[in-house]
Amino acid sequence: QSALTQPPSASGSPGQSVTISCTGTSSDVGGYNYVSWYQQHPGKAPKLMIYEVTKRPSGVPDRFSGSRSGNTASLTVSGLQAEDEADYYCSSYAGNYNFGVFGGGTKLTVL
Amino acid sequence: QITLKESGPTLVKPTQTLTLTCTFSGFSLSTGGVGVGWIRQPPGKALEWLALVFWDDDKRYSPSLKSRLTITKDTSKNQVVLTMTNMDPVDTATYYCAKWFGGFDPWGQGTLVTVSS
Repeated sequence: QSALTQPPSASGSPGQSVTISCTGTSSDVGGYNYVSWYQQHPGKAPKLMIYEVTKRPSGVPDRFSGSRSGNTASLTVSGLQAEDEADYYCSSYAGNYNFGVFGGGTKLTVL
Repeated sequence: QITLKESGPTLVKPTQTLTLTCTFSGFSLSTGGVGVGWIRQPPGKALEWLALVFWDDDKRYSPSLKSRLTITKDTSKNQVVLTMTNMDPVDTATYYCAKWFGGFDPWGQGTLVTVSS
């Protein structure tokens, strides 16, 4: 069982928006500004999409955005495109004793 | 351009020790705030963080695997080495290394390690 809880699946039609949630506790998601999101296509290494809750690395489309409310972080993908179909994982710093925890992953399907 | 590449055995026997090397380029592990971490992914399953070493040699380990893991860095060679003792078939996974600076980015291509007799 993963430390962070994500829905196993999400879906949307091209052009629509979809939001993926990531629920933790005040000891991880809610307690630190080191929440990140990763996109993973089949057979490929993960790719950083969002870091420090809301920041987007250079080269990541602005269709991807991150937010947080309390102990739940969210990744929103706007203007869905076929290439956005992938697995998405959230991660959070969880303190000195447990540096990093991941969510169980969400499979995003573009209908 | 920053790149990382994992290397090591593809097959290990149960109870053996796994040693993986991450060789990187395009950044220095002497730069403040920078770290290199190891993450694994069993086939069809989620990512799991294993260990991280920072520029100042601060080391962090997954609490559930801490007794089996050792991470070291060789700044002059641009390498980070992970050892995992007492390997078991459940440790079969793709092992990734990645640069840390607020998030893991970029990642290496990963190396599949199978534990089987």
